[in-house]
Amino acid sequence: DGGITQSPKYLFRKEGQNVTLSCEQNLNHDAMYWYRQDPGQGLRLIYYSQIVNDFQKGDIAEGYSVSREKKESFPLTVTSAQKNPTAFYLCASSLPGLAGLGEQFFGPGTRLTVL
Amino acid sequence: GENVEQHPSTLSVQEGDSAVIKCTYSDSASNYFPWYKQELGKGPQLIIDIRSNVGEKKDQRIAVTLNKTAKHFSLHITETQPEDSAVYFCAASPKSGGYNKLIFGAGTRLAVHP
Repeated sequence: DGGITQSPKYLFRKEGQNVTLSCEQNLNHDAMYWYRQDPGQGLRLIYYSQIVNDFQKGDIAEGYSVSREKKESFPLTVTSAQKNPTAFYLCASSLPGLAGLGEQFFGPGTRLTVL
Repeated sequence: GENVEQHPSTLSVQEGDSAVIKCTYSDSASNYFPWYKQELGKGPQLIIDIRSNVGEKKDQRIAVTLNKTAKHFSLHITETQPEDSAVYFCAASPKSGGYNKLIFGAGTRLAVHP
C-alpha cells in the first residue's frame, strides 16, 4: 500500500520549543516538499528536496529546517524562531518527469498548535 | 515574485449546475498547471492537470482550459454533485523556479446544494 504518511496528525507544543514533523513516503519518489497551509492563503512552500542530501528554501523558510538523509524521509523542524508556527503542515512527493514537474502526492497533514 | 490568483474564493451552486473556477499566473513561461481538491482535514488530491502545450483537457465531468496569451486557466465542473463540495486549488509551475516547484492559488470553497 504505497503512499505518504505524516505523523502525528495533531501536535501541541509550548511556545519556544522546537518540534519535528515526520514525513515518510514509499513511492520511490525523488522529490519531496513541505507546505504550510493557513486559512484563506492556500499552500505556501517551506522547503523542497529534489534528491537525497540536497534541499532548497521555498518562499517561507525562515524559522524552519529540514534534512534529507534518506530518499523516503523528509522531516521538518519548526524552530522557536518561527514567529507564528500554528498551522496545518502538508508534505508531498513527486517523481519529476522529462517534461518537468509531475503530479505531487500529498500526505494527510499535521495540525500543529503552539500554546 | 511568482504569483497565482484564484477566483472566486467561495462558490455556491445547486446540484446539477456547472461550476467554473478561474486562475491567473504571473510567469508566462510556466509549463504545468494542476488542480487539486481538498476535503476537510485531508491533504489535497490531484483531480486534473494540463501542460502548456495543450489548450484543453477533459476527464468525465471535469475539464481544464488554458489560455497562455492571457495567462489564465480555468476549471469547469459540469453536473455538480454534493460530493463535489470541497476546497479547490489551482497551481502553476514557473520557469523562475526551475520548473521544480508549484505556486498555489488561495483556494475556492465550493458548496453544492442538493
